[in-house]
Amino acid sequence: QVHLVQSGPEVKKPGSSVKVSCRASGDTFNGYSFSWVRQVPGQGLEWMGRITPIFRKVDNAQKFQGRVTITADKSTSTVYMELNSLRSEDTAVYYCARSRAPGLFDYWGQGTLVIVSS
Amino acid sequence: DIQMTQSPSSLSASIGDRVTITCQASQDISNFLNWYQQKPGKPPKLLIYDASTLETGVPSRFSGSGSGTDFTFTISSLQPEDIATYYCQQYQYNNLPLTFGPGTKVDVK
Repeated sequence: QVHLVQSGPEVKKPGSSVKVSCRASGDTFNGYSFSWVRQVPGQGLEWMGRITPIFRKVDNAQKFQGRVTITADKSTSTVYMELNSLRSEDTAVYYCARSRAPGLFDYWGQGTLVIVSS
Repeated sequence: DIQMTQSPSSLSASIGDRVTITCQASQDISNFLNWYQQKPGKPPKLLIYDASTLETGVPSRFSGSGSGTDFTFTISSLQPEDIATYYCQQYQYNNLPLTFGPGTKVDVK
């Protein structure tokens, strides 16, 4: 069984950074890509970017270009998403999601709430 | 970016009713469309991929159809556990970003 376990909730000040982790277990890490999708409370889903660890390939949504860094540590089967220059509008639940095929999210982490507040 | 729209934004139906949700893409995405179910406080769950293929373990009352720009998601007989928000999502190859529809909230009348 595949599990994606994310790090805990965060409270951050505007202008700071947050780094969220997502550890994968139960299946081959290198054979998949992993995306980050966020959801502002009460709103819809927004794709931020993805990493394919085996190729070290990263694709980011233009909206987050320059503010988001997605990395992976193959030794621990963990992917990370760091978001910089936080603003109140970044308050959201951040999900990691695995793709067994391009664009198809078959497993999701439990979500990490990030609150940006002064 | 490919824009996705869904209708209705919400609906109320009785248990046993047939429920239909439509999703429209701003350009041709072939059959590169997925449907997800999300319950409050939970991550989304993949139900349908490639517009019409049922994910393993998903009940057969869920189905999807369509291609190009117009897609339909159907619950043939609404069950209490189907109360959730449903999202479509496109993944046209090499056309980033991946985008979701705004969601359709389904509840019981």
